[in-house]
Amino acid sequence: QQPVQSPQAVILREGEDAVINCSSSKALYSVHWYRQKHGEAPVFLMILLKGGEQKGHDKISASFNEKKQQSSLYLTASQLSYSGTYFCGTEGKGNQFYFGTGTSLTVIP
Amino acid sequence: GAVVSQHPSRVICKSGTSVKIECRSLDFQATTMFWYRQFPKKSLMLMATSNEGSKATYEQGVEKDKFLINHASLTLSTLTVTSAHPEDSSFYICSASWFRAAANYGYTFGSGTRLTVV
Repeated sequence: QQPVQSPQAVILREGEDAVINCSSSKALYSVHWYRQKHGEAPVFLMILLKGGEQKGHDKISASFNEKKQQSSLYLTASQLSYSGTYFCGTEGKGNQFYFGTGTSLTVIP
Repeated sequence: GAVVSQHPSRVICKSGTSVKIECRSLDFQATTMFWYRQFPKKSLMLMATSNEGSKATYEQGVEKDKFLINHASLTLSTLTVTSAHPEDSSFYICSASWFRAAANYGYTFGSGTRLTVV
């Protein structure tokens, strides 16, 4: 049930763009995106519910494909504050919430 | 809004003792809370879903007698690690869902508890 993310890790220079993918073998009811800084709790970024949906704020956006089996998170003109581990997440049948495998993002000056 | 408080943030205990971790929703009522465990550089693994007034639902492979969950009120869920062993050392995080609209909901997390069993 755990979505798989790729890449596992990425290093960017400030100002560069990145894409993080989240895939599932089955259609997802929803996909959430979170960012976690080391030693801290995950912070909610956004949720997508509909196939084909795109959503974003500032320079972070996400899409959910038509089959609802794949989502991508787009970070444009990355800033140092974007560093952290990004997780997608999805809801299970019994109201559970499962996280993806995670992607470590490091932005360097 | 939707703030979750988790205590303690760090705890060191001796092997064989029990440790209780509290998770409180401060400004909303949480009928459902979730408990996760996270190992270094790994994802958060769902341990159990805590339902107010009823028994928790544990994920496969999680020992319910080892990790006791109580959700006695709409604002408090507790996780007790019983007879702790060094392999129970980990980062434990609770969360609760918040809801604003049909397409606007998510999960808010406590700040986590770093448990070290010596």
